Amino acid sequence: DAKTTQPPSMDCAEGRAANLPCNHSTISGNEYVYWYRQIHSQGPQYIIHGLKNNETNEMASLIITEDRKSSTLILPHATLRDTAVYYCIVRTSYDKVIFGPGTSLSVIP
Amino acid sequence: GAGVSQSPRYKVAKRGQDVALRCDPISGHVSLFWYQQALGQGPEFLTYFQNEAQLDKSGLPSDRFFAERPEGSVSTLKIQRTQQEDSAVYLCASSLASGVEKLFFGSGTQLSVL
Repeated sequence: DAKTTQPPSMDCAEGRAANLPCNHSTISGNEYVYWYRQIHSQGPQYIIHGLKNNETNEMASLIITEDRKSSTLILPHATLRDTAVYYCIVRTSYDKVIFGPGTSLSVIP
Repeated sequence: GAGVSQSPRYKVAKRGQDVALRCDPISGHVSLFWYQQALGQGPEFLTYFQNEAQLDKSGLPSDRFFAERPEGSVSTLKIQRTQQEDSAVYLCASSLASGVEKLFFGSGTQLSVL
C-alpha cells in the first residue's frame, strides 16, 4: 500500500508556482521521499528525491518539513507542459517503488 | 537509443490468446521492473529483476503472468490465455543499480483484450 496521501487534483495558473503537497506521517528514518510525474500516454518521469534536507534541481524544488511527516514539491514557473499526474512516493533504498493515485495537476493558460 | 524501449506500443488480443511484451532497458542498467497500469490508476508493481535474477514477483496477478530476463538485459513479460481484465498499459522501468537509484520508464505497451 502507498504510504502517502495527496490531493486528487489541483489547478495552477500558467507562469505561477505550483505547490503540490504530500503527507507521509508514518515515514521512518531511512525512508526517502521521491517525486515522479506522468504526462498523458507516457511512462512516469523521475523529478527529485530527498531524505531530510530540501533539494533543488533543474525541474523542481522539494521542501521536507523538519519532522519529515510532509513535503511539498514546487514547480517554480508552471507551464502547460507541466500538466500531468504527480506521484509522491516514500521508500527505503531496498523497497520497490509503489505508486499511489497521485495528484492530477492542470496548468491553466 | 538512450531510453527504455518497449514493443509493441499497442497490442490487441482476442480473449484466450497468449501475448509477449518486450522491454529493452537502458544499456548497463542492472535493475528492471514491470508495472501494470489500469486506466485512471497509478502503476501497480508486478515484478523486479536484478540482472537475470527475478528477485520479486509478488505483484504478478496470476500464474498466467510470466516474466524473464535470461541474459540480464532484454526482458519479456508473457501473459497466457489473456482475459479482458488484463487490458492495461504495461510499463517497464530500469535503473543503474538497486537502492536509491531513480527509475527510467518506457512509454509502455497498451494491451487491449477483446
